[in-house]
Amino acid sequence: ETGVTQSPTHLIKTRGQQVTLRCSSQSGHNTVSWYQQALGQGPQFIFQYYREEENGRGNFPPRFSGLQFPNYSSELNVNALELDDSALYLCASSLPGQKPYNEQFFGPGTRLTVL
Amino acid sequence: AQSVTQPDIHITVSEGASLELRCNYSYGATPYLFWYVQSPGQGLQLLLKYFSGDTLVQGIKGFEAEFKRSQSSFNLRKPSVHWSDAAEYFCAVGAGGSTLGRLYFGRGTQLTVWP
Repeated sequence: ETGVTQSPTHLIKTRGQQVTLRCSSQSGHNTVSWYQQALGQGPQFIFQYYREEENGRGNFPPRFSGLQFPNYSSELNVNALELDDSALYLCASSLPGQKPYNEQFFGPGTRLTVL
Repeated sequence: AQSVTQPDIHITVSEGASLELRCNYSYGATPYLFWYVQSPGQGLQLLLKYFSGDTLVQGIKGFEAEFKRSQSSFNLRKPSVHWSDAAEYFCAVGAGGSTLGRLYFGRGTQLTVWP
């Protein structure tokens, strides 16, 4: 069984640029969540996608957007990068409907540095 | 709103000593509680989870946690720490309703193990 994979591992961008991060879900999982983990902090929920639609969003501005594809892989796009966007971005996949709560499986993350 | 507090940013223990990592949560209803571990360059690995029932839950790698509703706590314990347990530990709470599927994390506790 293949786990959650993310690409690239590391990325360096400059302020104002745009970035796309990618995630492949664990086999059979149709829900993907994205989290931002700033240095020294716990992960913060960005948004979740289920069946190719956004299914909940945290306190992040609209320049953070996402996509989910029919094969359940996902992208996180960030426009107009700011220095504070420097963080580890984690993707987690899950299979909804498992009561009482669906466990989330995390990928290794993409380290984004904004200069 | 849901929130998690991990009061200890950094803990150092000797190998073979017992360990307790503290976690307090804020949530109006019965929470879904999790402990994750993160090693350098790795994603988050689930150690254990609490949904309902027995308030003492067993996890992987010899860890256990106890849910205490009266204290809004979910402390992680291990009777004898191994050098390989050195990592960062995150407590998280999951909620239901409109926020089902998202996790709220504490800022983490960094564990150092002395040989």
